[in-house]
Amino acid sequence: SQTIHQWPATLVQPVGSPLSLECTVEGTSNPNLYWYRQAAGRGLQLLFYSVGIGQISSEVPQNLSASRPQDRQFILSSKKLLLSDSGFYLCAWSVVSVRDTQYFGPGTRLTVL
Amino acid sequence: ELKVEQNPLFLSMQEGKNYTIYCNYSTTSDRLYWYRQDPGKSLESLFVLLSNGAVKQEGRLMASLDTKARLSTLHITAAVHDLSATYFCAVADVSGTYKYIFGTGTRLKVLA
Repeated sequence: SQTIHQWPATLVQPVGSPLSLECTVEGTSNPNLYWYRQAAGRGLQLLFYSVGIGQISSEVPQNLSASRPQDRQFILSSKKLLLSDSGFYLCAWSVVSVRDTQYFGPGTRLTVL
Repeated sequence: ELKVEQNPLFLSMQEGKNYTIYCNYSTTSDRLYWYRQDPGKSLESLFVLLSNGAVKQEGRLMASLDTKARLSTLHITAAVHDLSATYFCAVADVSGTYKYIFGTGTRLKVLA
């Protein structure tokens, strides 16, 4: 069966510090991968998605970036965090055909102070 | 641009009552999904609706899809406290991207 991991689960970082969040998927090959952010009490904002190694589509122009160095690994990064980067970061995967649903990881709660 | 709207945004209901959450989307898609999110947790897939007229049921929840009206409904029958959560619908963008567009969510609170 497929599983998706995210770490860390919780992170508190000062403004201006760098960020690296990691997501890995097990039990499937060539998944579509997604990064979402959810502000407190709000909906989901799509940040990045990837349909293959090295292929990243950006939805939100800001100080975040994403990389996919391996088929089942998706990394979200920032060189300098802003207060507005605080939120709940969710990684998700789906099969390439997009007829199936998305499966979400447990999430990383980021607080920028 | 594909947009998805849910209503209501907030719903407080008594146990035992019935209610419906509505999900409207702006452009053609035949792939609609419902998710549940408990406070502080991730999203859990509830239903996948892949054709016009599709109906799925699980316990006290029933979801349906009308692609001609671009409308999906999530019907709650005889609500219980355990159904308290936020419910999201999402539509697959079939224009050539692999994106899912999410609604704003409906925060449901079932009162004893």
